[in-house]
Amino acid sequence: EAGVAQSPRYKIIEKRQSVAFWCNPISGHATLYWYQQILGQGPKLLIQFQNNGVVDDSQLPKDRFSAERLKGVDSTLKIQPAKLEDSAVYLCASSLTGGVPTEAFFGQGTRLTVV
Amino acid sequence: AQSVTQLDSQVPVFEEAPVELRCNYSSSVSVYLFWYVQYPNQGLQLLLKYLSGSTLVKGINGFEAEFNKSQTSFHLRKPSVHISDTAEYFCAVSYSSASKIIFGSGTRLSIRP
Repeated sequence: EAGVAQSPRYKIIEKRQSVAFWCNPISGHATLYWYQQILGQGPKLLIQFQNNGVVDDSQLPKDRFSAERLKGVDSTLKIQPAKLEDSAVYLCASSLTGGVPTEAFFGQGTRLTVV
Repeated sequence: AQSVTQLDSQVPVFEEAPVELRCNYSSSVSVYLFWYVQYPNQGLQLLLKYLSGSTLVKGINGFEAEFNKSQTSFHLRKPSVHISDTAEYFCAVSYSSASKIIFGSGTRLSIRP
């Protein structure tokens, strides 16, 4: 089966600019996650969707970050305006949902550099 | 608070030697545990998972982990490592079927020939 697709793979922007990342989860996966992975650290959950509803966005900096999942499939994550500390790899993951928990399947990530 | 701790940020071992990567989690009634591997410039790949049942879990690439409820640990082991095992390893925990997956800070495994 096709994996989680993310684009772009790399992005370089100047601080105060805006940027958007796209994610297409595995077909049939109801749960979608966006993680931020700063160099040398573990992934930190930014937002979790169940279909097109938000389950957890407690660690999303809502003054500059936003995310949506239209029709419960694809998702976009936006940063506006970007700061230097937003430089990180942004990972999208998806999983089946319901009853027994299953693992999350990850995309290759988008490496963002803010200069 | 829900958390997972990886005590070692780096573990250097010689090729063909055994290795153990340590992971501890904050206690809860029900817990689901995962180990992921991340090769350079790639996404995370699942090595193994514990959901219930046998406390010894076998995964891909010869790795295994043991769930120890009394010590709230889920250490990853391999009896003989190869150069190709060089990567970053992440322990992760979920506290219910619908809750978020929380990751540890990672352990970098470096293999010396």
